Amino acid sequence: GQQLNQSPQSMFIQEGEDVSMNCTSSSIFNTWLWYKQDPGEGPVLLIALYKAGELTSNGRLTAQFGITRKDSFLNISASIPSDVGIYFCAGQTAGGGATNKLIFGTGTLLAVQP
Amino acid sequence: EPEVTQTPSHQVTQMGQEVILRCVPISNHLYFYWYRQILGQKVEFLVSFYNNEISEKSEIFDDQFSVERPDGSNFTLKIRSTKLEDSAMYFCASSENLGQPYSNQPQHFGDGTRLSIL
Repeated sequence: GQQLNQSPQSMFIQEGEDVSMNCTSSSIFNTWLWYKQDPGEGPVLLIALYKAGELTSNGRLTAQFGITRKDSFLNISASIPSDVGIYFCAGQTAGGGATNKLIFGTGTLLAVQP
Repeated sequence: EPEVTQTPSHQVTQMGQEVILRCVPISNHLYFYWYRQILGQKVEFLVSFYNNEISEKSEIFDDQFSVERPDGSNFTLKIRSTKLEDSAMYFCASSENLGQPYSNQPQHFGDGTRLSIL
């Protein structure tokens, strides 16, 4: 089945540093999404990308939809302690229909040292 | 901001018992989903539901699982005879659809129900 490989698995950084993580797949996706999950909570949507090549920002977060539609990256600038959590990429293939399940990546654990 | 709500937050059940997990999706959303996350692993798709019927299900969603929208607000996941390996976080999600072709709307997740099978 479809799989998303996410890297790195974990990152331990100092407050103020920039962070970059990415997601690759052997399959093409029409939509890429990035979610953040805090302990004991559900995934919270950060950014949604709908077009190949699209670059979208949300505050200190920037994400890009790869030209090949098989990859995406997420950057976090000037990290702060509350950025701690697990970041998941997710891909969707179908569009505008009912079979638009999300395929999740393996997650990147981010730890920020104050 | 509207949110997906799930109850209970934690369910402990004996193996072989039936369990029902409940979700209230965001009110104007039309598409509903269940996902599960085994401890330390990634989130996995179980089932999607639209127009009062299942639109897609994964291999995990076998005959022991069923979903229902019993009224205009609730969306439930039932596991008929629970097994130890059903222990996981179960997330409900919902999305709206503006009816445009090739226009996926983001799925919004609840905080999950932690299901522990003893």
